[in-house]
Amino acid sequence: SQQGEEDPQALSIQEGENATMNCSYKTSINNLQWYRQNSGRGLVHLILIRSNEREKHSGRLRVTLDTSKKSSSLLITASRAADTASYFCARALGSGNTGKLIFGQGTTLQVKP
Amino acid sequence: EAQVTQNPRYLITVTGKKLTVTCSQNMNHEYMSWYRQDPGLGLRQIYYSMNVEVTDKGDVPEGYKVSRKEKRNFPLILESPSPNQTSLYFCASSSGRMGQHSNQPQHFGDGTRLSIL
Repeated sequence: SQQGEEDPQALSIQEGENATMNCSYKTSINNLQWYRQNSGRGLVHLILIRSNEREKHSGRLRVTLDTSKKSSSLLITASRAADTASYFCARALGSGNTGKLIFGQGTTLQVKP
Repeated sequence: EAQVTQNPRYLITVTGKKLTVTCSQNMNHEYMSWYRQDPGLGLRQIYYSMNVEVTDKGDVPEGYKVSRKEKRNFPLILESPSPNQTSLYFCASSSGRMGQHSNQPQHFGDGTRLSIL
């Protein structure tokens, strides 16, 4: 299967704490992208990290990529109640360039005020 | 405002009654795609289009059709809907020249929830 694993499936933390979500995959990638989905809404792009990059930051978000371990992590620092959402990693495959993204199952994050 | 617009947002219909879900983007993107999202299965690609008049199958194309006659529109057609097509559908678009679509983030619509009885 081209799909990878995300863990944890669900995460509940207090406001102000950090949240870490992990994504593993099996095939080579062109890049890896993280998306957020609020309940009942579409996915919103957060960060794209290319296969030759190791770390990327955007505001309170930090994404790391370890291609040797075929894994990535998303860290949200100083979480807020508004960060409550599902978070998905999506792999753009290395072979061909159809634009296709392979999504993980997602991590549901609940941030309690 | 840059956006991907899907219509309808919700639809309940019956088996066999043809329906079309429209998708329109105002970002002049070449690449457009349809996904369905099901519990436990995540998002799966149905069809995609790299440019006008260029469409191709994704992972789960059975029972669906698409067309790309204009750059901004990418409708999803269910000729004879069945209950197993009950799902949450998302349209997405991205920029990038041919061959570079995977290097761009995708912009998603707010989804269309279809219930087929």
